[in-house]
Amino acid sequence: DTGVSQDPRHKITKRGQNVTFRCDPISEHNRLYWYRQTLGQGPEFLTYFQNEAQLEKSRLLSDRFSAERPKGSFSTLEIQRTEQGDSAMYLCASSWTAIANYGYTFGSGTRLTVV
Amino acid sequence: DAKTTQPNSMESNEEEPVHLPCNHSTISGTDYIHWYRQLPSQGPEYVIHGLTSNVNNRMASLAIAEDRKSSTLILHRATLRDAAVYYCILRESGGSNYKLTFGKGTLLTVNP
Repeated sequence: DTGVSQDPRHKITKRGQNVTFRCDPISEHNRLYWYRQTLGQGPEFLTYFQNEAQLEKSRLLSDRFSAERPKGSFSTLEIQRTEQGDSAMYLCASSWTAIANYGYTFGSGTRLTVV
Repeated sequence: DAKTTQPNSMESNEEEPVHLPCNHSTISGTDYIHWYRQLPSQGPEYVIHGLTSNVNNRMASLAIAEDRKSSTLILHRATLRDAAVYYCILRESGGSNYKLTFGKGTLLTVNP
């Protein structure tokens, strides 16, 4: 296993279009997290899954955002009707519940630019 | 979430030790101290964590003050590849321990 994979690495879209990002976590990890990072800031929590259940969503996650994790494996994050303010790096991370006090493994992120 | 305070930036020379400070005066007794770093164009990378005792691993050492209100991440010999933003994060050991709250971190520059 080579870690957390995110696809695509970069996405440029026009305002108003829908975009979808994919995250493949480490296979043994049952927790999956999405974060968003804007320039010069630290990552901000968006949502997390334990297996296929989405257990918390941040207030940052507006109605235009939806995340899924079917079958508790990979996850997708969809943004509908993109706005320029959605331009950011979207980071996915995973961890194993049993060792919750150890580190997360992050992917390299998907950089979204809305023009 | 308990907050941490870090310097915005620090500079070091290659092959010299680097001490990155973090203040967390409102830490609770069950909060773990975690450090992550983020290299340019990469996601954050776990570095080390501790609760009360000093910790060492292959990447770094973590020195925790006796009152736990501050900690220091120590890179024993900085290399150019250590240039990154370093984040000090408090992580609750209780029910909401899934969430990492990042600040702006410390931007470490390593000079050749």
